[in-house]
Amino acid sequence: GAGVSQSPSNKVTEKGKDVELRCDPISGHTALYWYRQSLGQGLEFLIYFQGNSAPDKSGLPSDRFSAERTGGSVSTLTIQRTQQEDSAVYLCASRTYQETQYFGPGTRLLVL
Amino acid sequence: ELKVEQNPLFLSMQEGKNYTIYCNYSTTSDRLYWYRQDPGKSLESLFVLLSNGAVKQEGRLMASLDTKARLSTLHITAAVHDLSATYFCAVEGRGGADGLTFGKGTHLIIQP
Repeated sequence: GAGVSQSPSNKVTEKGKDVELRCDPISGHTALYWYRQSLGQGLEFLIYFQGNSAPDKSGLPSDRFSAERTGGSVSTLTIQRTQQEDSAVYLCASRTYQETQYFGPGTRLLVL
Repeated sequence: ELKVEQNPLFLSMQEGKNYTIYCNYSTTSDRLYWYRQDPGKSLESLFVLLSNGAVKQEGRLMASLDTKARLSTLHITAAVHDLSATYFCAVEGRGGADGLTFGKGTHLIIQP
Protein backbone atom coordinates (compact mmCIF):
# COMPACT_ATOMS: atom_id res chain seq x y z
CA GLY A 1 0.00 0.00 0.00
CA ALA A 2 0.95 3.66 -0.19
CA GLY A 3 3.37 4.96 2.36
CA VAL A 4 3.73 8.38 3.95
CA SER A 5 4.11 11.06 1.31
CA GLN A 6 5.54 14.55 1.69
CA SER A 7 5.66 17.57 -0.56
CA PRO A 8 7.58 19.33 -1.84
CA SER A 9 10.58 17.02 -1.88
CA ASN A 10 12.90 20.02 -2.10
CA LYS A 11 12.34 23.65 -1.30
CA VAL A 12 14.74 26.56 -1.74
CA THR A 13 13.59 29.85 -0.29
CA GLU A 14 14.95 33.22 0.64
CA LYS A 15 15.46 34.30 4.20
CA GLY A 16 12.34 35.97 5.55
CA LYS A 17 9.87 34.11 3.32
CA ASP A 18 7.18 31.76 4.64
CA VAL A 19 7.13 28.08 3.65
CA GLU A 20 4.52 25.38 3.98
CA LEU A 21 5.40 21.70 4.11
CA ARG A 22 2.82 19.00 3.61
CA CYS A 23 2.52 15.47 4.95
CA ASP A 24 0.00 12.85 3.83
CA PRO A 25 0.07 9.93 6.30
CA ILE A 26 -0.73 6.31 5.66
CA SER A 27 -4.48 5.88 5.43
CA GLY A 28 -6.02 5.02 8.78
CA HIS A 29 -3.04 6.11 10.84
CA THR A 30 -4.30 8.29 13.66
CA ALA A 31 -0.94 9.43 15.01
CA LEU A 32 1.26 11.79 13.02
CA TYR A 33 4.70 13.15 13.92
CA TRP A 34 6.99 15.84 12.56
CA TYR A 35 10.78 15.65 12.98
CA ARG A 36 13.70 17.69 11.76
CA GLN A 37 17.07 16.29 10.73
CA SER A 38 20.12 18.51 10.46
CA LEU A 39 23.85 17.92 10.61
CA GLY A 40 24.30 19.89 13.77
CA GLN A 41 21.29 18.73 15.77
CA GLY A 42 20.65 15.23 14.48
CA LEU A 43 17.05 14.04 14.53
CA GLU A 44 14.71 16.23 16.62
CA PHE A 45 11.09 15.64 17.45
CA LEU A 46 8.91 18.68 16.68
CA ILE A 47 5.24 17.89 17.23
CA TYR A 48 2.76 15.05 17.53
CA PHE A 49 -0.88 14.84 16.46
CA GLN A 50 -3.41 12.36 17.70
CA GLY A 51 -6.32 12.86 15.33
CA ASN A 52 -6.54 16.58 14.73
CA SER A 53 -5.20 17.71 18.07
CA ALA A 54 -1.65 18.43 19.13
CA PRO A 55 -1.49 18.17 22.92
CA ASP A 56 2.00 19.58 23.26
CA LYS A 57 3.64 22.15 21.01
CA SER A 58 6.71 22.73 23.14
CA GLY A 59 8.97 20.82 20.74
CA LEU A 60 8.55 23.43 18.02
CA PRO A 61 11.84 25.38 17.80
CA SER A 62 10.29 28.86 17.88
CA ASP A 63 7.00 30.71 17.53
CA ARG A 64 7.71 31.00 13.80
CA PHE A 65 6.81 27.33 13.51
CA SER A 66 3.22 26.13 13.49
CA ALA A 67 1.48 22.94 12.46
CA GLU A 68 -2.04 21.80 11.86
CA ARG A 69 -3.85 18.69 10.86
CA THR A 70 -7.28 18.64 9.32
CA GLY A 71 -9.75 15.80 8.94
CA GLY A 72 -7.44 13.50 10.87
CA SER A 73 -5.32 13.12 7.76
CA VAL A 74 -3.10 15.66 5.97
CA SER A 75 -0.84 17.84 8.08
CA THR A 76 0.99 21.03 7.21
CA LEU A 77 4.04 22.48 8.93
CA THR A 78 4.43 26.20 8.36
CA ILE A 79 7.59 28.17 8.98
CA GLN A 80 7.17 31.93 8.95
CA ARG A 81 9.99 34.40 8.26
CA THR A 82 12.45 31.61 7.53
CA GLN A 83 16.00 31.85 8.81
CA GLN A 84 19.12 30.11 7.57
CA GLU A 85 19.18 27.90 10.67
CA ASP A 86 15.84 26.45 9.55
CA SER A 87 17.63 24.66 6.71
CA ALA A 88 17.19 20.95 7.34
CA VAL A 89 15.30 17.89 6.23
CA TYR A 90 11.79 17.84 7.66
CA LEU A 91 10.45 14.34 8.14
CA CYS A 92 6.91 13.23 8.80
CA ALA A 93 5.92 9.88 10.29
CA SER A 94 2.65 8.17 11.01
CA ARG A 95 1.49 5.11 12.82
CA THR A 96 -1.47 3.30 14.21
CA TYR A 97 -1.64 2.06 17.77
CA GLN A 98 1.23 -0.18 18.96
CA GLU A 99 3.05 -0.11 15.63
CA THR A 100 6.33 1.39 14.54
CA GLN A 101 6.47 4.88 13.10
CA TYR A 102 6.64 4.90 9.31
CA PHE A 103 8.60 7.79 7.88
CA GLY A 104 8.02 9.73 4.70
CA PRO A 105 10.79 10.68 2.25
CA GLY A 106 11.21 14.14 3.79
CA THR A 107 11.31 17.71 2.52
CA ARG A 108 14.77 19.18 2.09
CA LEU A 109 14.55 22.87 2.96
CA LEU A 110 17.33 25.29 2.06
CA VAL A 111 17.06 28.89 3.22
CA LEU A 112 19.38 31.24 1.38
CA GLU B 1 14.96 14.55 29.94
CA LEU B 2 15.32 11.38 27.95
CA LYS B 3 18.78 10.91 26.44
CA VAL B 4 19.93 8.24 24.01
CA GLU B 5 23.58 7.42 23.39
CA GLN B 6 24.88 5.21 20.65
CA ASN B 7 28.35 3.85 20.19
CA PRO B 8 30.33 3.67 18.15
CA LEU B 9 29.31 6.64 16.00
CA PHE B 10 31.47 5.45 13.15
CA LEU B 11 32.41 1.90 12.26
CA SER B 12 34.40 0.58 9.34
CA MET B 13 34.55 -3.17 9.03
CA GLN B 14 35.29 -5.89 6.55
CA GLU B 15 32.80 -8.20 4.96
CA GLY B 16 32.34 -11.44 6.84
CA LYS B 17 33.05 -9.96 10.27
CA ASN B 18 30.70 -9.66 13.23
CA TYR B 19 30.10 -6.51 15.22
CA THR B 20 27.72 -4.94 17.74
CA ILE B 21 26.28 -1.43 18.01
CA TYR B 22 25.23 -0.31 21.48
CA CYS B 23 22.38 1.97 22.51
CA ASN B 24 22.01 3.28 26.07
CA TYR B 25 19.10 5.40 27.24
CA SER B 26 18.58 7.41 30.37
CA THR B 27 15.06 6.75 31.65
CA THR B 28 12.49 4.00 31.57
CA SER B 29 10.71 3.70 28.26
CA ASP B 30 7.84 1.80 26.69
CA ARG B 31 9.65 0.73 23.58
CA LEU B 32 12.84 0.94 21.60
CA TYR B 33 13.27 1.19 17.83
CA TRP B 34 16.06 0.58 15.36
CA TYR B 35 16.05 2.37 12.02
CA ARG B 36 18.29 2.31 8.99
CA GLN B 37 19.04 5.33 6.81
CA ASP B 38 20.80 5.23 3.46
CA PRO B 39 22.45 8.42 2.14
CA GLY B 40 19.86 10.92 0.95
CA LYS B 41 17.01 8.65 1.97
CA SER B 42 14.48 8.52 4.76
CA LEU B 43 14.34 6.20 7.75
CA GLU B 44 13.48 2.54 7.31
CA SER B 45 12.13 0.68 10.32
CA LEU B 46 14.14 -2.41 11.26
CA PHE B 47 12.94 -3.51 14.70
CA VAL B 48 10.58 -2.53 17.51
CA LEU B 49 11.46 -3.98 20.91
CA LEU B 50 8.68 -3.88 23.46
CA SER B 51 9.77 -5.76 26.56
CA ASN B 52 12.74 -6.78 28.63
CA GLY B 53 14.63 -9.64 27.04
CA ALA B 54 13.05 -9.08 23.63
CA VAL B 55 15.15 -10.35 20.76
CA LYS B 56 14.34 -9.91 17.09
CA GLN B 57 16.24 -11.09 14.04
CA GLU B 58 16.05 -10.25 10.37
CA GLY B 59 18.68 -11.70 8.11
CA ARG B 60 22.13 -10.77 9.39
CA LEU B 61 20.79 -8.28 11.95
CA MET B 62 19.68 -9.13 15.46
CA ALA B 63 18.43 -6.65 18.06
CA SER B 64 17.96 -7.18 21.77
CA LEU B 65 16.67 -5.16 24.70
CA ASP B 66 17.62 -5.14 28.39
CA THR B 67 15.29 -2.67 30.10
CA LYS B 68 16.96 -3.08 33.49
CA ALA B 69 20.30 -2.01 32.07
CA ARG B 70 18.55 0.46 29.70
CA LEU B 71 20.58 -1.05 26.89
CA SER B 72 19.81 -2.29 23.42
CA THR B 73 22.23 -3.90 21.01
CA LEU B 74 22.18 -4.36 17.25
CA HIS B 75 24.38 -7.27 16.25
CA ILE B 76 25.62 -7.74 12.71
CA THR B 77 26.63 -11.24 11.69
CA ALA B 78 28.93 -11.95 8.72
CA ALA B 79 28.56 -8.41 7.39
CA VAL B 80 27.98 -7.77 3.70
CA HIS B 81 28.48 -4.54 1.75
CA ASP B 82 24.71 -3.96 1.37
CA LEU B 83 24.46 -3.36 5.11
CA SER B 84 26.48 -0.16 4.80
CA ALA B 85 24.21 2.62 6.11
CA THR B 86 23.59 4.76 9.18
CA TYR B 87 21.76 2.98 11.98
CA PHE B 88 19.73 4.86 14.57
CA CYS B 89 18.23 3.68 17.79
CA ALA B 90 15.31 5.63 19.20
CA VAL B 91 13.35 5.51 22.41
CA GLU B 92 9.74 6.43 22.97
CA GLY B 93 8.38 7.87 26.14
CA ARG B 94 5.00 8.95 27.51
CA GLY B 95 3.01 6.57 25.35
CA GLY B 96 4.07 8.25 22.15
CA ALA B 97 3.13 11.84 22.92
CA ASP B 98 6.76 12.94 23.08
CA GLY B 99 7.72 11.36 19.81
CA LEU B 100 10.97 9.47 19.47
CA THR B 101 14.28 10.52 20.97
CA PHE B 102 17.05 9.41 18.64
CA GLY B 103 20.68 8.59 19.17
CA LYS B 104 23.23 10.34 16.97
CA GLY B 105 23.42 7.31 14.68
CA THR B 106 26.16 4.84 13.81
CA HIS B 107 27.67 5.35 10.38
CA LEU B 108 28.59 1.85 9.22
CA ILE B 109 30.88 1.18 6.28
CA ILE B 110 31.44 -2.42 5.22
CA GLN B 111 34.37 -2.91 2.93
CA PRO B 112 34.82 -5.86 0.56
